[in-house]
Amino acid sequence: GQNIDQPTEMTATEGAIVQINCTYQTSGFNGLFWYQQHAGEAPTFLSYNVLDGLEEKGRFSSFLSRSKGYSYLLLKELQMKDSASYLCAALDSNYQLIWGAGTKLIIKP
Amino acid sequence: IAGITQAPTSQILAAGRRMTLRCTQDMRHNAMYWYRQDLGLGLRLIHYSNTAGTTGKGEVPDGYSVSRANTDDFPLTLASAVPSQTSVYFCASSDSSSREFTEQFFGPGTRLTVL
Repeated sequence: GQNIDQPTEMTATEGAIVQINCTYQTSGFNGLFWYQQHAGEAPTFLSYNVLDGLEEKGRFSSFLSRSKGYSYLLLKELQMKDSASYLCAALDSNYQLIWGAGTKLIIKP
Repeated sequence: IAGITQAPTSQILAAGRRMTLRCTQDMRHNAMYWYRQDLGLGLRLIHYSNTAGTTGKGEVPDGYSVSRANTDDFPLTLASAVPSQTSVYFCASSDSSSREFTEQFFGPGTRLTVL
């Protein structure tokens, strides 16, 4: 079956760095997405990786290892507004997104 | 309109009633999707449409139907609502013409409670 695993909840301190991991098992693979979702709001796109390696976009970076079925989202210089759920999703061979349950990130002052 | 709109924002519905959730996008995206999001679970695909005039079943289609008469609109209908359909429903769209990058844009969601 298809499966996405990510931690349910993480806590970090304002100004620090946090890494949110995601492992995936899908039938075929056409890329890995990360979305941010604030409470009561819609998911919004953060990053997309299809090749191995690190993609950096400001304070956020995303890494992919296709051979390991593994990705992580790295958030630097954490701000209180980064408190949200972070959703990992893999694009399968039918170009359908398979979603993880999300990681709730709590930022403490 | 800018992006995707959904209506209603929230709704309380008696079991057995029929309900249509509306979704409209103005980005001329080919593909549209309906998801439900429940606590502790990932977004689950209900139905999708790759282009106007075509629809497909997702992971959890039972009890739901959709239509895609034109590019902009993608309504989701619950023929006879049941309490297990209590959820937050998100509509999304993407430009499926680009296979290498199919970022999905989401509407604000509809919170549905079936009693």
